[in-house]
Amino acid sequence: GAVVSQHPSWVICKSGTSVKIECRSLDFQATTMFWYRQFPKQSLMLMATSNEGSKATYEQGVEKDKFLINHASLTLSTLTVTSAHPEDSSFYICSASGTSGNIGYNEQFFGPGTRLTVL
Amino acid sequence: GDSVTQMEGPVTLSEEAFLTINCTYTATGYPSLFWYVQYPGEGLQLLLKATKADDKGSNKGFEATYRKETTSFHLEKGSVQVSDSAVYFCALTKSGGSYIPTFGRGTSLIVHP
Repeated sequence: GAVVSQHPSWVICKSGTSVKIECRSLDFQATTMFWYRQFPKQSLMLMATSNEGSKATYEQGVEKDKFLINHASLTLSTLTVTSAHPEDSSFYICSASGTSGNIGYNEQFFGPGTRLTVL
Repeated sequence: GDSVTQMEGPVTLSEEAFLTINCTYTATGYPSLFWYVQYPGEGLQLLLKATKADDKGSNKGFEATYRKETTSFHLEKGSVQVSDSAVYFCALTKSGGSYIPTFGRGTSLIVHP
């Protein structure tokens, strides 16, 4: 099956610092990657969609200068939370869709998530 | 627009009880339907899916049938275990796009020994 990993699984940082979260597709080419944010006991909120080699498309209300997304290769996307503040504390989940050989995936595969805590 | 409605939780059951988590959807065309499970502190895992009407998805004792006439995709399991305690998300995707799921709010399941 298609596997997506995230690193780190959790991170604690001081207010004002920047944090980078990596999302990797391990056994398929992720032409499109997605970043979600999940608040406690709530559903996932799509933050942005990124296609390899292109600028990310952000959902309404998501600050693109705050949440920098890079999708430089078919297996890696990064989310950088710049100048993090306590209100950015959340669970961030990435997902990916794409192809493996001749198989096109018509669904998204999710990473295990990254818990960010900003002090 | 498209939407997914799930029953409110938490659902609290004793071990070996029968589980039903209701899910209905609103969408044009012929969406694919999914159930995802999220265990505490983890990301989402695909539990099962169905891509056309009358299909039944099944996995780990869970099953759900794509009912177009009632626009429903209810999740069922005949005998739940404590290890099934998690949050379950119903979702749909539309073909021809980038397959961004529309999620329901999630239903928390708590199974007691």
